[in-house]
Amino acid sequence: NAGVTQTPKFQVLKTGQSMTLQCAQDMNHNSMYWYRQDPGMGLRLIYYSASEGTTDKGEVPNGYNVSRLNKREFSLRLESAAPSQTSVYFCASSWDSQETQYFGPGTRLLVL
Amino acid sequence: GNSVTQMEGPVTLSEEAFLTINCTYTATGYPSLFWYVQYPGEGLQLLLKATKADDKGSNKGFEATYRKETTSFHLEKGSVQVSDSAVYFCALRMFGSGGYQKVTFGIGTKLQVIP
Repeated sequence: NAGVTQTPKFQVLKTGQSMTLQCAQDMNHNSMYWYRQDPGMGLRLIYYSASEGTTDKGEVPNGYNVSRLNKREFSLRLESAAPSQTSVYFCASSWDSQETQYFGPGTRLLVL
Repeated sequence: GNSVTQMEGPVTLSEEAFLTINCTYTATGYPSLFWYVQYPGEGLQLLLKATKADDKGSNKGFEATYRKETTSFHLEKGSVQVSDSAVYFCALRMFGSGGYQKVTFGIGTKLQVIP
């Protein structure tokens, strides 16, 4: 039981490049979330998926898209990376939209 | 809107010292309250939680009491160890109109415990 896994662990992009951050959970959770963590700002919700087949915007969705590929996987895509998207990205999941969230180890992204 | 306030730190303590990390919140309604811990290079782990006023959450020697009258959820531990060095996040959870949970995090407090 690996919990929540994220790939890659670290990535460097040039401005304008695109990439997809992958997240998978093996806990049979229905809800999944993407956060970004920036110094002095705590974690901010980018997008979430309350259940398979649904996605909704969080606090800071601009510049991102998501796909809930199936119950296990929830990916985050940056179509045209900007330096302001330099951050640590965390994926989380919960049994349903009301239960405690469990976090992955994070992806550190640097946009030059 | 909802908010969580905690000091950024770092808080530096000697081993076996008493720890308090203050957390206060503002929210409309009755949130659940959480402490998460993040060890270096890892994701956030749930440390403890409390879902209603006067509840006390506890885990691994840490405890926090949900104080509605002072809107606080301070984290305490009687005797810290070097292995407790980490960043601690206070968070509150409310539910949005669609039934989904909205979690608001504080900025995190870095704790350094020296031998």
